[in-house]
Amino acid sequence: GNSVTQMEGPVTLSEEAFLTINCTYTATGYPSLFWYVQYPGEGLQLLLKATKADDKGSNKGFEATYRKETTSFHLEKGSVQVSDSAVYFCALMPHAGKSTFGDGTTLTVKP
Amino acid sequence: EAGVTQFPSHSVIEKGQTVTLRCDPISGHDNLYWYRRVMGKEIKFLLHFVKESKQDESGMPNNRFLAERTGGTYSTLKVQPAELEDSGVYFCASSQFRDENNEQFFGPGTRLTVL
Repeated sequence: GNSVTQMEGPVTLSEEAFLTINCTYTATGYPSLFWYVQYPGEGLQLLLKATKADDKGSNKGFEATYRKETTSFHLEKGSVQVSDSAVYFCALMPHAGKSTFGDGTTLTVKP
Repeated sequence: EAGVTQFPSHSVIEKGQTVTLRCDPISGHDNLYWYRRVMGKEIKFLLHFVKESKQDESGMPNNRFLAERTGGTYSTLKVQPAELEDSGVYFCASSQFRDENNEQFFGPGTRLTVL
């Protein structure tokens, strides 16, 4: 079956530090890959997505590239802010089916 | 356009009681999904409706959970009787039937606490 393995947290960084949250997956076929973010007290929000190999998703300074050869979709940001503190979830979604999520990585950014 | 809404936002009940969660998907979305996150672990799939039909309910943990989607609009998830291990955050998501990108839009979640 499908699975997503996400970098264990929590992750604590200083403001303006570089962020990487690793995500690898196993799946049959060619699923779409997503990063969701949950800010404190809020619901899940789509952060970025990629629907095919070599696609790069980007939003709010975050980027992730769909790497089929390494089955990875690592999330990166060059300079984090305190407002980026949240829980980040990597997910894969086959066509019209249930999503598979990673465990979530809690990021805390300190001023 | 209104997003996915869920009610209540938070529910605290005692073991053995019944709780009903509600989800209103985005208007026109045929697909509706229920997920939950328990004990800070991964978000796990519970079930998937296409309109009023259950397409996949392989993630439902046991027969204490009952989901309905009468009329193919909003959905309810009833837990009866609730147990301590049912505590967690229950998310609902919806998507269009033929969305090739399969983007699912999530609601804010219902935090269920069973004491």
